[in-house]
Amino acid sequence: TQLLEQSPQFLSIQEGENLTVYCNSSSVFSSLQWYRQEPGEGPVLLVTVVTGGEVKKLKRLTFQFGDARKDSSLHITAAQPGDTGLYLCADSNHPSGGYNKLIFGAGTRLAVHP
Amino acid sequence: DAGVIQSPRHEVTEMGQEVTLRCKPISGHNSLFWYRQTMMRGLELLIYFNNNVPIDDSGMPEDRFSAKMPNASFSTLKIQPSEPRDSAVYFCASKGRSGNTIYFGEGSWLTVV
Repeated sequence: TQLLEQSPQFLSIQEGENLTVYCNSSSVFSSLQWYRQEPGEGPVLLVTVVTGGEVKKLKRLTFQFGDARKDSSLHITAAQPGDTGLYLCADSNHPSGGYNKLIFGAGTRLAVHP
Repeated sequence: DAGVIQSPRHEVTEMGQEVTLRCKPISGHNSLFWYRQTMMRGLELLIYFNNNVPIDDSGMPEDRFSAKMPNASFSTLKIQPSEPRDSAVYFCASKGRSGNTIYFGEGSWLTVV
């Protein structure tokens, strides 16, 4: 059974700081997705990465996929209070289920204080 | 456009009572998912449907849980009888025929006392 470990579990920072959160898998990712879940809401997809070494940018967020496709990082530059939430990584768990059987990590809970 | 719609948003019920959670997926989506989120176990897939047909229910914890999808625009997740350990946030999500984006509803917060 694949295990996804996310670190740190909790992160509390001030507005304007930079941060990086990590996702590591016990086996090679089929493809990896990052989600953000705001309090009281459902998760929202941020990005999908498929190729080892891939880097994607979404405004102040930079996503990196490890060369061996067993780890990923999410870097946020100049964090803002609106970045507050639970950041989840998920594996698509190919080929058995396509994107229909996502396996989620426990998440990193980020709080950005004004 | 309306997203995935779930009801009720919050429910508090007594142990032993039947609980029914409802979901309306995004129009045109053909895959529907039920997830459960708890602090201890995180976000877990319970069951998913393709074209209204249950494909994989291996995540359903036990026979007290059942899910139906009578048509493309409606699904239910039922717990009978409910137990305190069923307290969690239950999310419904849907996905279109192409692409890899799953859209989650706002969740149903269930408390069983």
